[in-house]
Amino acid sequence: EVQLVESGGGLVQPGRSLRLSCTASGFTFDNYAMHWVRQVPGKGLEWVSGISWNSNNIAYAGSVKGRFTISRDNAKNSLYLQMNSLGTEDTALYYCGKDRSGAWLDAIDNWGQGTMVTVSS
Amino acid sequence: QSALTQPRSVSGSPGQSVTISCTGTSSDVANYNYVSWYQQYAGKAPKLMIHDVSKRPSGVPDRFSGSKSGNTASLTISGLQAEDEADYYCCSYAGNFRGVFGGGTRLTVL
Repeated sequence: EVQLVESGGGLVQPGRSLRLSCTASGFTFDNYAMHWVRQVPGKGLEWVSGISWNSNNIAYAGSVKGRFTISRDNAKNSLYLQMNSLGTEDTALYYCGKDRSGAWLDAIDNWGQGTMVTVSS
Repeated sequence: QSALTQPRSVSGSPGQSVTISCTGTSSDVANYNYVSWYQQYAGKAPKLMIHDVSKRPSGVPDRFSGSKSGNTASLTISGLQAEDEADYYCCSYAGNFRGVFGGGTRLTVL
């Protein structure tokens, strides 16, 4: 059974940093692309960032480009999202997602339960 | 990258069919066959219902079907059931490893 468990969320002040982690199990992690998707409570889904199986392909949504950095450690079956210069607009539930593909965004076929990030003074 | 356009809400009676549209551009929906659809219940993580425009993952009822024409993708749910009441989101590959979601559609079963 595929399991994705996010951690690292919490309350942070504007301008500060936070690092999210996602630990994967139940599948061969280094065969698949991974993504971060966020959702403001009561609002829609927003794709945030994606990384290919070998980290050669990385992309970001325009709203986070230059502030967020996605990375993965295949030896640890883990995905990360380093979030810098956080603003109140980054407040959301952050989901980790596994792609059907290894190298591009095909579809996210497994999702974690999310970790909440609240940016507030 | 602007969000794909979905109707905010649709509704139907049990047994009927409903279709949810998802309109993009030549940079996403029209240019790639990587359109997916997700079902989300309140307080729950999304669930993949359709991938690659029209393919159903194992376990998804065949009442759910997907299609695409030009820059518009569609999700059709036939034989509507009470349990289908949820939010539905489309997503498309937008090139350069980027993705874009639709704004979401609330399906109400009357």
